[in-house]
Amino acid sequence: AQSVTQLDSQVPVFEEAPVELRCNYSSSVSVYLFWYVQYPNQGLQLLLKYLSGSTLVKGINGFEAEFNKSQTSFHLRKPSVHISDTAEYFCAVKGLIGNQFYFGTGTSLTVIP
Amino acid sequence: DTGVSQNPRHKITKRGQNVTFRCDPISEHNRLYWYRQTLGQGPEFLTYFQNEAQLEKSRLLSDRFSAERPKGSFSTLEIQRTEQGDSAMYLCASSLPRTESVTQYFGPGTRLLVL
Repeated sequence: AQSVTQLDSQVPVFEEAPVELRCNYSSSVSVYLFWYVQYPNQGLQLLLKYLSGSTLVKGINGFEAEFNKSQTSFHLRKPSVHISDTAEYFCAVKGLIGNQFYFGTGTSLTVIP
Repeated sequence: DTGVSQNPRHKITKRGQNVTFRCDPISEHNRLYWYRQTLGQGPEFLTYFQNEAQLEKSRLLSDRFSAERPKGSFSTLEIQRTEQGDSAMYLCASSLPRTESVTQYFGPGTRLLVL
């Protein structure tokens, strides 16, 4: 089975500042990795995913993430945040075989004007 | 593409009552997932359908929970004899077959409150 650890439960950041949300995973097999965003009272929306190939993945809304196999990490970054980025962010992992997705506990990003 | 829809969006019930939620996936998606999300937590996998077949169930899915997808289209999740611990957001997601199935599309969720 796989598991995900999101190291920061809350991240406050000033508008237009850079941000990094940390995610580490545990798995004995190769995995796919994902970042989702959840706005209040809404479902989850996919930001980006790593399946294979380039370890730097670019997603929507200016977000990107880097897969680091040796450190089993998949940290999410954005060079300049906006007020509209305030939301809950979830990292998720799925093994290459099987259908279960495992989510972290989430990081609440608050952008301060 | 109308997205994944879930009904109702909110449900308040008394302990011991039965509740049923419905999920309508994106039309060409043959894979459907149910998750439970409690406050401050990420979604937890409950069950997975491929077409009408329920192929995986989590240990979280107690005997009081049952899910169906009779025609391989919409799905229902029923909770019998609800308990206060069942209060949560219930999320549905769907995906395309095979390699495309790594991308899940989530519905807005049904928020359940058991009094």
